[in-house]
Amino acid sequence: KAGVTQTPRYLIKTRGQQVTLSCSPISGHRSVSWYQQTPGQGLQFLFEYFSETQRNKGNFPGRFSGRQFSNSRSEMNVSTLELGDSALYLCASSVPSGTDTQYFGPGTRLTVL
Amino acid sequence: DQQVKQNSPSLSVQEGRISILNCDYTNSMFDYFLWYKKYPAEGPTFLISISSIKDKNEDGRFTVFLNKSAKHLSLHIVPSQPGDSAVYFCAASAMQGAQKLVFGQGTRLTINP
Repeated sequence: KAGVTQTPRYLIKTRGQQVTLSCSPISGHRSVSWYQQTPGQGLQFLFEYFSETQRNKGNFPGRFSGRQFSNSRSEMNVSTLELGDSALYLCASSVPSGTDTQYFGPGTRLTVL
Repeated sequence: DQQVKQNSPSLSVQEGRISILNCDYTNSMFDYFLWYKKYPAEGPTFLISISSIKDKNEDGRFTVFLNKSAKHLSLHIVPSQPGDSAVYFCAASAMQGAQKLVFGQGTRLTINP
């Protein structure tokens, strides 16, 4: 079974621009979660989507948004990019089956100049 | 407010010996705990998990122990192999099925030949 895929793997943007990242979950997985990893803050939860609905949200500003499509694929968008948004953005999928075992993709490395 | 803490940023162990990675948490609502392993430029790989109704879970060379009264869990790797060198993250979730993981800062494990 193919794992979680994320595109693109690397991205360079400038301040003020917006960016869209894509995630395809493992086949059969209906929950998709997004995390941000930075050296200073570690891995932090952004939001989770299930059946095209956002179920949980972390403590990030409204510039960070996402959506999920009927095939469970998900996108996240960051508007008005800031230097501090430079990070590894990780997508994780799960069934879910009542536990929170999530399987992660390789991530998208975003650099904001 | 760091709810999940891995107080050792790094650990060095001889090949063949036992590696013990520790994790402490503060939120008594956490009821599911996971360990992930991460190589550079890759997403975290799920290793093993434990529910709060258990105090031990074993999978091959990996064993996770949970001490709820001390709010402490540990991951034991026996025997340690060079391929185990990576960053290990402890994660926790409250409200099983919420799909919102809270991660520790990670411990870099180095296995020396």
